[in-house]
Amino acid sequence: GNSVTQMEGPVTLSEEAFLTINCTYTATGYPSLFWYVQYPGEGLQLLLKATKADDKGSNKGFEATYRKETTSFHLEKGSVQVSDSAVYFCALSPPDNLFFGTGTRLTVIP
Amino acid sequence: SAVISQKPSRDICQRGTSLTIQCQVDSQVTMMFWYRQQPGQSLTLIATANQGSEATYESGFVIDKFPISRPNLTFSTLTVSNMSPEDSSIYLCSVLNWAGSYEQYFGPGTRLTVT
Repeated sequence: GNSVTQMEGPVTLSEEAFLTINCTYTATGYPSLFWYVQYPGEGLQLLLKATKADDKGSNKGFEATYRKETTSFHLEKGSVQVSDSAVYFCALSPPDNLFFGTGTRLTVIP
Repeated sequence: SAVISQKPSRDICQRGTSLTIQCQVDSQVTMMFWYRQQPGQSLTLIATANQGSEATYESGFVIDKFPISRPNLTFSTLTVSNMSPEDSSIYLCSVLNWAGSYEQYFGPGTRLTVT
């Protein structure tokens, strides 16, 4: 079956610190992988995606690489800002629906 | 991308009553979904809203409790019936769009509190 396992939070970092949020998946076939972000009081926004092995998705300084050999799609950012404080969801699409991880709350302090 | 609006954005309702949530998309889309996000938790798919036929419900969700309409390719409604405090959640409309690959977009959500 399809499932996503995501690093549990919450995660608290100082501004300009390096961020990694781990995500691993199990899937049948060849899914697309996504990271969604939910800022306080807002809906989910697509942050980045990768549709095949070794693809790297990137947006707003965030990156994630589709690693088929380790079934992972870890989210990274080199220098976080206070405005990055949000909940981050890893998801996979088989492709006609989304399976979500449990979400990781990131708080960045000045 | 698709722009999705939902009404109402939030509501406080008494137990035993029903609330209908509307979802409007700015373009025609094939697939629309309804999700629930309970406080502090991830998203759970309630159902796929099918245009011209009955919605497809996920395990644990039934039509009597969550009736869904989809009269055309840009609009859907979700009703939360006979509400109880356990129904307090954020309800999100979502659509699947093709942009070289499938991408799924979400509305801003409807925050429901049942007292």
